[in-house]
Amino acid sequence: DQQVKQNSPSLSVQEGRISILNCDYTNSMFDYFLWYKKYPAEGPTFLISISSIKDKNEDGRFTVFLNKSAKHLSLHIVPSQPGDSAVYFCAASRRGSQGNLIFGKGTKLSVKP
Amino acid sequence: DAGVIQSPRHEVTEMGQEVTLRCKPISGHNSLFWYRQTMMRGLELLIYFNNNVPIDDSGMPEDRFSAKMPNASFSTLKIQPSEPRDSAVYFCASSLVFSGANVLTFGAGSRLTVL
Repeated sequence: DQQVKQNSPSLSVQEGRISILNCDYTNSMFDYFLWYKKYPAEGPTFLISISSIKDKNEDGRFTVFLNKSAKHLSLHIVPSQPGDSAVYFCAASRRGSQGNLIFGKGTKLSVKP
Repeated sequence: DAGVIQSPRHEVTEMGQEVTLRCKPISGHNSLFWYRQTMMRGLELLIYFNNNVPIDDSGMPEDRFSAKMPNASFSTLKIQPSEPRDSAVYFCASSLVFSGANVLTFGAGSRLTVL
């Protein structure tokens, strides 16, 4: 039973345009959501997070939106750059889990020059 | 800080052999996590420790897998005996758990191939 789902295995966008990566979850006990980026042969690196009490968090070109009623979050990258090409993982933590993160399967983003 | 350090980066072994993966977490972090990445299952949590104590090992596939954290600066994940289906990338991550989002810092991973 997948609690965090990323239904798009891949996404291709043109440089300069917006990239939108989506994530759905099933557990209403999740209190924080995080996005990680992963390049080949490297470990995932933290990108941005959002608390369940907020609906938006912004950091430079990256914005995460949370829709609790729909149990859906999205990561917007504007403008997209070729260096953003990577696999993006959505992750969630549950209250009382002592920090354990549950990850989606990832979406591979390709930004074409 | 050098980050989370994992060794070996690559391991090729034959079925039935023992495999030991090692991890040095970031100094001062109080939690350590072992994840496995495969095409089919993505990133799945195997086990995690808090203050060197195993908290949840429900993700460990079977008794062939074991993990230890003898002190705050070292952890091992052992597979004995190894099988071809264990082939995957194994990641270690550490964090300082307090209130707020728990940001895990990952190592570069150990790619295991079991022939």
